[in-house]
Amino acid sequence: RKEVEQDPGPFNVPEGATVAFNCTYSNSASQSFFWYRQDCRKEPKLLMSVYSSGNEDGRFTAQLNRASQYISLLIRDSKLSDSATYLCVVVSYGQNFVFGPGTRLSVLP
Amino acid sequence: SAVISQKPSRDICQRGTSLTIQCQVDSQVTMMFWYRQQPGQSLTLIATANQGSEATYESGFVIDKFPISRPNLTFSTLTVSNMSPEDSSIYLCSAAGTGASGQYFGPGTRLTVT
Repeated sequence: RKEVEQDPGPFNVPEGATVAFNCTYSNSASQSFFWYRQDCRKEPKLLMSVYSSGNEDGRFTAQLNRASQYISLLIRDSKLSDSATYLCVVVSYGQNFVFGPGTRLSVLP
Repeated sequence: SAVISQKPSRDICQRGTSLTIQCQVDSQVTMMFWYRQQPGQSLTLIATANQGSEATYESGFVIDKFPISRPNLTFSTLTVSNMSPEDSSIYLCSAAGTGASGQYFGPGTRLTVT
């Protein structure tokens, strides 16, 4: 089993739709969790951290389920500019960052 | 957050030559990393650049091919040695203060080997 797994997509959704991505991880001792977005031909950019209590930033909501070892990202009211690849990142042992393979999202007009 | 710059942004090199990529962070950071990414593919970690000691390489990457320096807490270099067309890729530098702070990436160096 890979350390971090994501559905590669692509997810093709119309503007205004709500879309959710899941990411599963295998190391139960993982401590920190993040979502990144990567636009085509650009570097990954930190989107948000993920906390056990869940956190929200505008249209984006991230959740962590430690018992089931997955994190999720919900995007509400999708915009064309949300089209990107979304990477989940799991950190263990303080400095071991493991990136998922990414989920591609295309928001269609 | 940290602002990271990389030089060069792109280069076209001949087979058998070497290229050194520089990575500069605008603040002192604990961790610096080097990644490789083929277009449309996942990130692949090459190594962790350790300040004052040898880099820690991932499986499949060796120091002779990818020597790394990190003379201080804000700067690192990656050299791609004896290049072949298979080394054509985007090379990304990143930095993190702690595991809880997330990583910040440089803009990448697009390398083409002919």
